[in-house]
Amino acid sequence: DGGITQSPKYLFRKEGQNVTLSCEQNLNHDAMYWYRQDPGQGLRLIYYSQIVNDFQKGDIAEGYSVSREKKESFPLTVTSAQKNPTAFYLCASTRGQNQPQHFGDGTRLSIL
Amino acid sequence: SQKIEQNSEALNIQEGKTATLTCNYTNYSPAYLQWYRQDPGRGPVFLLLIRENEKEKRKERLKVTFDTTLKQSLFHITASQPADSATYLCALDGVDSSYKLIFGSGTRLLVRP
Repeated sequence: DGGITQSPKYLFRKEGQNVTLSCEQNLNHDAMYWYRQDPGQGLRLIYYSQIVNDFQKGDIAEGYSVSREKKESFPLTVTSAQKNPTAFYLCASTRGQNQPQHFGDGTRLSIL
Repeated sequence: SQKIEQNSEALNIQEGKTATLTCNYTNYSPAYLQWYRQDPGRGPVFLLLIRENEKEKRKERLKVTFDTTLKQSLFHITASQPADSATYLCALDGVDSSYKLIFGSGTRLLVRP
């Protein structure tokens, strides 16, 4: 079945450490997204990519980095510069403009 | 900047009744609006999309309306069931890119048996 796979489901970060969240899709979608969700809040866009080797900052990109070397993969790195990284991170993809987004089941990141 | 508002209080209804959720927006005119369902610890799941030139859209027990004058969308679930209990998110296309969606904070629906 086609879908989006995020891993790991739970992740713990030590102070000063960078961590990378994985997102893989086999839907053949061009566009991919990373969102952050905090309790009781909506999804906030971190980065998005409309095509391979290209990506744009969202509303809260500071302290995060991404790469899009393959159509299927859009990993997110949470750097030590992100001072409040504890959140639920969601990856999504879509066929194109004005299309529904398909989401993975998220990674919950916590600080040790 | 564009702003989306959904009722932050949970909606608590009896099984079999119609649930109505509201999504209000300000400061721009989106070309389309989407509704998603999110269960605890899971990613959102797409339900319905409605365009600005459509007044109403239906899918099984779900109905969405889009009033561009009031800047409001209503999401209805008829004959509600306990399995419909979840958080429902509305999302609008971003003013600077139709690849982007702006999400509301969601409304939690609880359907009592």
